[in-house]
Amino acid sequence: AQKVTQAQTEISVVEKEDVTLDCVYETRDTTYYLFWYKQPPSGELVFLIRRNSFDEQNEISGRYSWNFQKSTSSFNFTITASQVVDSAVYFCALKSVPGGSYIPTFGRGTSLIVHP
Amino acid sequence: DTAVSQTPKYLVTQMGNDKSIKCEQNLGHDTMYWYKQDSKKFLKIMFSYNNKELIINETVPNRFSPKSPDKAHLNLHINSLELGDSAVYFCASSLATGGYEQYFGPGTRLTVT
Repeated sequence: AQKVTQAQTEISVVEKEDVTLDCVYETRDTTYYLFWYKQPPSGELVFLIRRNSFDEQNEISGRYSWNFQKSTSSFNFTITASQVVDSAVYFCALKSVPGGSYIPTFGRGTSLIVHP
Repeated sequence: DTAVSQTPKYLVTQMGNDKSIKCEQNLGHDTMYWYKQDSKKFLKIMFSYNNKELIINETVPNRFSPKSPDKAHLNLHINSLELGDSAVYFCASSLATGGYEQYFGPGTRLTVT
């Protein structure tokens, strides 16, 4: 069985602070994919990044960066110099290959509140 | 142009009624999904179709029946609605099965009274 744990239910920061959202995953498969999605207060779900299990390179996109560590089964997301527009619920997700199917599993989400 | 669209955006109905939610994607993707998001924001996959074929069918009551007339459309019909069905239902699509990211529709907020 696969599982995604986002232990932080809610994080509150003040604008310009850096913040890291944790994601720990479990899977028995050697081939899997990890994702982050953003759900702002307006409600839509927006794809942010995808990583496969064979690529442990960290990724940076503007103020966003992602740290993938297979040794600790973690795929953490850092926002540098947070802004009010970053306020949203962030979901980490996993797709692995049990028996050839790719059932997506989502974490319970971390609600990020950025205060001005 | 909206990539993944759903109708209606809001649905308020009484217990026992039957309702449908429609989803269309214009991304040319092969795979489509239905998710249920509860009041605590937990996202749970319900169904997935690949090229009109059902490939994922999670533990969902059989009052829920998906239909995919073609690979650009995936509809969800719900019979005998119950209070516990109140949630936001999201449709999504991905290029194919496998490790591709999903693109989500705006969601349909279903309220059963």
